[in-house]
Order: sequence, then structure tokens, then C-alpha cells
Amino acid sequence: EAGVTQFPSHSVIEKGQTVTLRCDPISGHDNLYWYRRVMGKEIKFLLHFVKESKQDESGMPNNRFLAERTGGTYSTLKVQPAELEDSGVYFCASSQDSGVSTDTQYFGPGTRLTVL
Amino acid sequence: AQSVTQLGSHVSVSEGALVLLRCNYSSSVPPYLFWYVQYPNQGLQLLLKYTSAATLVKGINGFEAEFKKSETSFHLTKPSAHMSDAAEYFCAVSVYSGTYKYIFGTGTRLKVLA
Repeated sequence: EAGVTQFPSHSVIEKGQTVTLRCDPISGHDNLYWYRRVMGKEIKFLLHFVKESKQDESGMPNNRFLAERTGGTYSTLKVQPAELEDSGVYFCASSQDSGVSTDTQYFGPGTRLTVL
Repeated sequence: AQSVTQLGSHVSVSEGALVLLRCNYSSSVPPYLFWYVQYPNQGLQLLLKYTSAATLVKGINGFEAEFKKSETSFHLTKPSAHMSDAAEYFCAVSVYSGTYKYIFGTGTRLKVLA
């Protein structure tokens, strides 16, 4: 069974440009999460989808970030326009049942975003 | 608010020595705790999780962790380090705010010396 995949693995862009990150969850997982790790700091929650609906987007930094999950399959995270402080590693995770506190989230390898 | 603290951003041990990675949590409700590992160029992989069924939790690759409520700790241990254990380790707590999500510690990078 394929795990969570993310594309691209690395992205280097100029400040002010737009970048779109993609995440493909494990097949059959309704729950999809985005997290971000800024260098040297903890991994922080950004948002959570249940199928195509945003369940919790309390961690989104500002309105330059837009996440979508059309059709409840893959998800995209767009940053427009990118700023220097957006640099970091963006992780995607998926799980079967978000209604369980002990539900395991399965993580992708991350996308390393560098904004110059 | 719930939180996780990992003491030591970098830990070095000799091959064959005991591995001890520290994690303390802050929670007003029974916590559900996880340890993940990230090997170079890979995603986070679950090592083990505490679900209140047993205080001593055994995970993959010979790792285990003990939940100690009195110390609010969930330290990760392995009796004998192997070179392949070199990676970054993250402790996390599952919190509820309409849905469940993880709060992570800052991570501990383990170096194994030959």
C-alpha cells in the first residue's frame, strides 16, 4: 500500500511568487492534515480536512495560505504571495478516523520550501 | 493548554549504549502520547503510542516508552543503540479542539557514535 506522498520534495522561489504544494493521502483515509516546521522549531498544525471539508483551520498563519481538497482525495496548499518567513518544511498526514484520540496519523516526507 | 517539551535538541550516544530521549507533557486531561522518528529524506514514522492500556509501551526497532503520570513524562528508551538509530525523534500529544490534532515537541536529533 502506498504511503502519503508529497510533491515537490523541494521548492525554491522568490519572495512574492506563488507556490502550490500537493499531498496525496493514503487511499481510503478521509482525514488529511497539513503541518509546518520552521527551521529549528516544532512541527505546527496548520489545518485538517475531513473528506473535502475543512474541519479545523485554526493553524493557518494568514490569508496568503489557501488549502483545498476537491473531491476529498488529494489536497493542495497554495502560498500567494510567498514571504521569507514561509520557508520551512510542510508535512502532510492522513488518518482513517479523526474521532479517536489515539488515531495514528501517517506522514509524508514533506516539502522543503525556501523563499529567497 | 496542552504542550510537549523535549529536553535536548541533540543527543549523542555510543553504539551499544543506552538511548534515553526525554519528553514531558502538560495536560489537564488524560494525554494520548506518540513518538515519531524521521530518518533522513523520509517522512515521520510512528514508533509507538500511549493509549492508557499499559504504562510501558513497546514500539518498533526495540524502542519503548514508559508513561509516568506523577512525573508527567513519556521518555523513549532503547537498551542498545545501533548506527541505524541515528535520526530525529519527535514526541507528540493528541489534543481535541473540535477534532483531534497533534502538538509536537521541538524534536531531538540522535547521533550514534561508532
